[in-house]
Amino acid sequence: GQQLNQSPQSMFIQEGEDVSMNCTSSSIFNTWLWYKQDPGEGPVLLIALYKAGELTSNGRLTAQFGITRKDSFLNISASIPSDVGIYFCAGQLNQGAQKLVFGQGTRLTINP
Amino acid sequence: NAGVTQTPKFRVLKTGQSMTLLCAQDMNHEYMYWYRQDPGMGLRLIHYSVGEGTTAKGEVPDGYNVSRLKKQNFLLGLESAAPSQTSVYFCASSLWANVLTFGAGSRLTVL
Repeated sequence: GQQLNQSPQSMFIQEGEDVSMNCTSSSIFNTWLWYKQDPGEGPVLLIALYKAGELTSNGRLTAQFGITRKDSFLNISASIPSDVGIYFCAGQLNQGAQKLVFGQGTRLTINP
Repeated sequence: NAGVTQTPKFRVLKTGQSMTLLCAQDMNHEYMYWYRQDPGMGLRLIHYSVGEGTTAKGEVPDGYNVSRLKKQNFLLGLESAAPSQTSVYFCASSLWANVLTFGAGSRLTVL
């Protein structure tokens, strides 16, 4: 089936550093979404992107819908301890698609 | 507003036993999904539903059955549990099959 290649798989950073992660595919997507999963919880939506080239922010988080529609990027500025968790990208292939394709996740660990 | 509620949160089964996980949503969403999450494997779709009375297979449906008799509920059943089904199960719902709202998860251990 369709696959999203999410990288990096894990990150170990110092508090205060900026973080970048991305998701790529060989397929064109209609919608890109970024979720965060806190330890022991279900994923929670961070940002949804609906148009190629769209750049959307949510506090210290910024995500972009790649211009080719085959990729998306998430940046976190000035990381804090509560940013720890697993970040998932997800894509919807077209408006009629009944399910999302998920990336494998990026596990973020922050050293205080 | 409860969102998506999963019960039970934890369960331990012996091999061969059966059980049902219940997912309930109060957002009048059409789409509902069951995922399993294993270490290093991300989220894998088991079954999903696009409306009351409908079900469809995801990428890992073997050993599971589902039912959606009421719009707000989506049940995941294991008829004969196996150790390979030890996992964390997440239910999710959506209005348009893109923005998913997830439950808190159900952790299942099969001995």
